[in-house]
Amino acid sequence: GENVEQHPSTLSVQEGDSAVIKCTYSDSASNYFPWYKQELGKRPQLIIDIRSNVGEKKDQRIAVTLNKTAKHFSLHITETQPEDSAVYFCAASGTGTASKLTFGTGTRLQVTL
Amino acid sequence: EPEVTQTPSHQVTQMGQEVILRCVPISNHLYFYWYRQILGQKVEFLVSFYNNEISEKSEIFDDQFSVERPDGSNFTLKIRSTKLEDSAMYFCASSDWREQYFGPGTRLTVT
Repeated sequence: GENVEQHPSTLSVQEGDSAVIKCTYSDSASNYFPWYKQELGKRPQLIIDIRSNVGEKKDQRIAVTLNKTAKHFSLHITETQPEDSAVYFCAASGTGTASKLTFGTGTRLQVTL
Repeated sequence: EPEVTQTPSHQVTQMGQEVILRCVPISNHLYFYWYRQILGQKVEFLVSFYNNEISEKSEIFDDQFSVERPDGSNFTLKIRSTKLEDSAMYFCASSDWREQYFGPGTRLTVT
């Protein structure tokens, strides 16, 4: 089955700096890659996603890149703010319309003043 | 904006007892899921459900687990005889074939 690796496990940046979180996946059939933000005790919230037919997607300060050949995808957050502090999970999903999400192990992002 | 809701928010039960976790998916969604998250760990898939039957289940989803859509709105997860290791946050999610939207979770504590 699919296996998703995520790095780093913790990331501390100063406010205004950029943060990059990287994931790799094992199943070349996976074609949907969402990123979820989870604040303490709360539900995972979808912040951005990318499908395998594009290489990059941007939404304001957040961008995701996908390298299908290398089976890598990354989350980029620019101009970080304290409210970006949370745990971020990458995930991968296959081709079926009810496909499960396989999550990475999470990155705890701390944005310091 | 419509949201997935779950009840209860916290359930404490004794080992060996049955629990039922309830979810109300977003109304026009057709695909439903249960995931769990042990404290401090990643979110793990349990089961997916479509057209009144299980689409896929993980190794975690053994004979002690079952899912049901008893009416047009609710989606339930039953654990027949809880074990200590079932203690986790259980998330329901629903999808209209694209993004999956998660509920707020039920924290299950088995003592």
